[in-house]
Amino acid sequence: DGGITQSPKYLFRKEGQNVTLSCEQNLNHDAMYWYRQDPGQGLRLIYYSQIVNDFQKGDIAEGYSVSREKKESFPLTVTSAQKNPTAFYLCASSMEKNTEAFFGQGTRLTVV
Amino acid sequence: GNSVTQMEGPVTLSEEAFLTINCTYTATGYPSLFWYVQYPGEGLQLLLKATKADDKGSNKGFEATYRKETTSFHLEKGSVQVSDSAVYFCALSPGGSYIPTFGRGTSLIVHP
Repeated sequence: DGGITQSPKYLFRKEGQNVTLSCEQNLNHDAMYWYRQDPGQGLRLIYYSQIVNDFQKGDIAEGYSVSREKKESFPLTVTSAQKNPTAFYLCASSMEKNTEAFFGQGTRLTVV
Repeated sequence: GNSVTQMEGPVTLSEEAFLTINCTYTATGYPSLFWYVQYPGEGLQLLLKATKADDKGSNKGFEATYRKETTSFHLEKGSVQVSDSAVYFCALSPGGSYIPTFGRGTSLIVHP
């Protein structure tokens, strides 16, 4: 079955450590996105990529980094520079302009 | 810029009640409009969509009509069930762009 897989579902890290969240899709979609979700704040765009080897900052990119070396994969690294990293992170993809996005199941990151 | 405004929640209803969740948008060009649903601890799932003015999207008893004159896409269901309890997001995908814009989400709680 085609879809988007995020791993792990839950992640715990100590403050000051970098951590990488995985996102893989087998939908052959060109565009991929990372969102952060906090209670009562909806979805905020972190980074997006419309094509391999190219990506753009979203609204809250500070403290995060991404890569897009393969069409199927768009990993997100939460760096120690991110002031408040505890959140629910969602990866999504879409095929074309003006079409719906498909979402993964999310990764809940807790930094202690 | 593009924006989506949806009514604040939580919306609390008894089973079999009528549901309306209001959504209005601002966009350049001719966007596609979507409603997504998110169950606790999961990613977003597409509920329904409409791609042009006067289109009606429908799925699982939910409906929404793309109203260009009022820039609205209100979600309705004639008789809600406890299993409809979730967070509902209105979204648009602007013409000529990949990046979707989401509303802040509306929590729906249905009591037996």
